[in-house]
Amino acid sequence: GQNIDQPTEMTATEGAIVQINCTYQTSGFNGLFWYQQHAGEAPTFLSYNVLDGLEEKGRFSSFLSRSKGYSYLLLKELQMKDSASYLCAVFDQTGANNLFFGTGTRLTVIP
Amino acid sequence: DAGITQSPRHKVTETGTPVTLRCHQTENHRYMYWYRQDPGHGLRLIHYSYGVKDTDKGEVSDGYSVSRSKTEDFLLTLESATSSQTSVYFCAIRTGLDNEQFFGPGTRLTVL
Repeated sequence: GQNIDQPTEMTATEGAIVQINCTYQTSGFNGLFWYQQHAGEAPTFLSYNVLDGLEEKGRFSSFLSRSKGYSYLLLKELQMKDSASYLCAVFDQTGANNLFFGTGTRLTVIP
Repeated sequence: DAGITQSPRHKVTETGTPVTLRCHQTENHRYMYWYRQDPGHGLRLIHYSYGVKDTDKGEVSDGYSVSRSKTEDFLLTLESATSSQTSVYFCAIRTGLDNEQFFGPGTRLTVL
């Protein structure tokens, strides 16, 4: 089975940096995704990590440690529009290579 | 938006009635998925398809059936809707690059 944990809520200040952590336990790990979801909208793809290390994409970076079952999403220079839920999802190659999602972290950016 | 549409976008129905939700894609992707999203549970897989007439169950498939008679359409049917099936339903496709999934806009279903 899969077990994915991330904090339920976080608050950060505009212009600051925030790190959203995700820990996972899965039998057939084959990659980790981060999605952003604004209220009332569909999730949108942010990043994908399959190897250990840091992937940087503009203001967003994602880190993976497979040995520790740990990932984080780093958001720099926070903007008000970054207020959203951030979903951690593990790609599991047992069965049919499906995505398993955590419950999401609701980030509120305050002025 | 990866060419995914869902219909209807909103529906209110009564307990015991059948409901069919449609997912349509324009890019000929092989894999399609149906998820439901509920507070406190995140996104959970209902059913998925890996080709025309090839489907399989996800983790919350009870009470749901699916059909895929052509590549572009994936239908989700609630044979007899219950209040526990009140949810937001998302369809997704999987691209060949990095296996990422792209989501449709969602259908908000309310079962009274």
